[in-house]
Amino acid sequence: QQQVKQSPQSLIVQKGGISIINCAYENTAFDYFPWYQQFPGKGPALLIAIRPDVSEKKEGRFTISFNKSAKQFSLHIMDSQPGDSATYFCATYLLVSARQLTFGSGTQLTVLP
Amino acid sequence: EADIYQTPRYLVIGTGKKITLECSQTMGHDKMYWYQQDPGMELHLIHYSYGVNSTEKGDLSSESTVSRIRTEHFPLTLESARPSHTSQYLCASGGGFEQFFGPGTRLTVL
Repeated sequence: QQQVKQSPQSLIVQKGGISIINCAYENTAFDYFPWYQQFPGKGPALLIAIRPDVSEKKEGRFTISFNKSAKQFSLHIMDSQPGDSATYFCATYLLVSARQLTFGSGTQLTVLP
Repeated sequence: EADIYQTPRYLVIGTGKKITLECSQTMGHDKMYWYQQDPGMELHLIHYSYGVNSTEKGDLSSESTVSRIRTEHFPLTLESARPSHTSQYLCASGGGFEQFFGPGTRLTVL
């Protein structure tokens, strides 16, 4: 099974700060690199996704940076808010794979007011 | 409203009991999945289905079984629950890189 290594496991940021979560993947030509957000008591939900032919994608305060040569991608949350406190999962998506999505181990983000 | 539902949300049972966790979706998705989420947050795929009468085991070995008789329904069954089955179980549906997750069932086996 292809693995996705995610770090850090937990992250505490002050309100207004930048939250950065990193992921690294192994040697496979994935089709998409999505990020999921999970609030307590809820299932994960898609936050943002990037294709491997794009180096950066921004949606509001959330940005994915993608480095194909290093096989790494990261989520940046600008102006972090207490409402962003959640668990974040990176993932890799491979269309031809029977399982399609492989998730990282998750990062628990806490944004202090 | 298109959605994915899981029942029960919480279940506390004794060892040896048979249980079924229900999952239904109204989005018409052919692909459905069951994940087990441990206290360390990791999501482990335990079963998936590509459509009616199609079920496969996932990456994490599980003593549970699933069935897919109708497109919208993907129940998970444990014939004899044990304390090691205590976990959060998440159902999801959808193709592509977006999977839609239900709220989960938190199972505790005493």
